[in-house]
Amino acid sequence: TQLLEQSPQFLSIQEGENLTVYCNSSSVFSSLQWYRQEPGEGPVLLVTVVTGGEVKKLKRLTFQFGDARKDSSLHITAAQPGDTGLYLCAKGAYGSGNTGKLIFGQGTTLQVKP
Amino acid sequence: KAGVTQTPRYLIKTRGQQVTLSCSPISGHRSVSWYQQTPGQGLQFLFEYFSETQRNKGNFPGRFSGRQFSNSRSEMNVSTLELGDSALYLCASSLAPQGGYNEQFFGPGTRLTVL
Repeated sequence: TQLLEQSPQFLSIQEGENLTVYCNSSSVFSSLQWYRQEPGEGPVLLVTVVTGGEVKKLKRLTFQFGDARKDSSLHITAAQPGDTGLYLCAKGAYGSGNTGKLIFGQGTTLQVKP
Repeated sequence: KAGVTQTPRYLIKTRGQQVTLSCSPISGHRSVSWYQQTPGQGLQFLFEYFSETQRNKGNFPGRFSGRQFSNSRSEMNVSTLELGDSALYLCASSLAPQGGYNEQFFGPGTRLTVL
């Protein structure tokens, strides 16, 4: 089973604080995507990481792919209320017959209070 | 470029009925995948279509089916609705024909409520 474990599941912080969300698997990813979803809407792709050790930045968001390509993290600096939402990591289920299938972590619900 | 569109956005049905949901992918995208999202199970893969053929299927009963048209638009159908089918149904389109980064772009979803 190709599971993705995200932690924490819930996070409630004050505006201005920093936070990190983790995504782990027992198997190697060939690539991993991070999505953000707001209530009643579909997930929006934030970033794709591909290379072990890769770091990508998107404004106040920093995404890191582990050297062994089994884990990834999302760090938000100085969180703002607009960052509130469900953060999801997802990996492709590659292999015969698995094309087009993404496996998602259970998500991290982030609430940033003003 | 217009994003992925899904219709309808909201739907209320009763047990035993059937429902058809529609998805129009981003122009040029030929792969369309469907997902079910519930609070308890999260996002789960239903199936994927590419060039009018189902290329991959998740672990859902045969009541869940889909198809894709020559213009890449896709529909999914759920027959004999059960209460547990209440969920947000998401459609995603992808440019990659196979493998690659498999970046998928999601529509806003259809919220299905079964009473």
